[in-house]
Amino acid sequence: DVKVTQSSRYLVKRTGEKVFLECVQDMDHENMFWYRQDPGLGLRLIYFSYDVKMKEKGDIPEGYSVSREKKERFSLILESASTNQTSMYLCASSASSDRATRGAFFGQGTRLTVV
Amino acid sequence: AQKITQTQPGMFVQEKEAVTLDCTYDTSDPSYGLFWYKQPSSGEMIFLIYQGSYDQQNATEGRYSLNFQKARKSANLVISASQLGDSAMYFCAMREPDSWGKFQFGAGTQVVVTP
Repeated sequence: DVKVTQSSRYLVKRTGEKVFLECVQDMDHENMFWYRQDPGLGLRLIYFSYDVKMKEKGDIPEGYSVSREKKERFSLILESASTNQTSMYLCASSASSDRATRGAFFGQGTRLTVV
Repeated sequence: AQKITQTQPGMFVQEKEAVTLDCTYDTSDPSYGLFWYKQPSSGEMIFLIYQGSYDQQNATEGRYSLNFQKARKSANLVISASQLGDSAMYFCAMREPDSWGKFQFGAGTQVVVTP
């Protein structure tokens, strides 16, 4: 059974804290993604990675950074958390584009609240 | 620019009836993939169906079918014989090969199935 696992289901952090969201996949996928989900806005891409140590900005990268030191692990970092980063964060992985007919596989999501 | 448009924020449907969820997309790439996902209140993202831009026939997966109208850039999801368990948020997504396999999502449509 394929799996994408996010380290936390719920997180509460204080403004200004450095926050790490971890994601691990066991499918040997090349691509990994971090999305943010907000009501009425759907899923917006923050960052993605197509290989180890390779990353590309998505649509809303401001205030975030990422790290991919190993193929199976993709971390999202909030350098200094702010209240407007309160959201649901979804990690996903997929095979390289010409084989991804099943789309992306998602983790269970992390609901982050910044107070 | 918004590449995936879902114009129906929410809809009610009676059990056993069919429902059509609208999705239009924008791309200049001749090769692309279209996907539909279901997100129940539990938050998990569930892959439903895939349509490739070169596929000659509309995709079907059980009670789900995709009404693909390439010239109109439309990829509507049809759920036949709705069940109470179909109540969820539904997202349309597109993947373009020249964008490193990124998935772009629409804002989603909330479906509520009533007895």
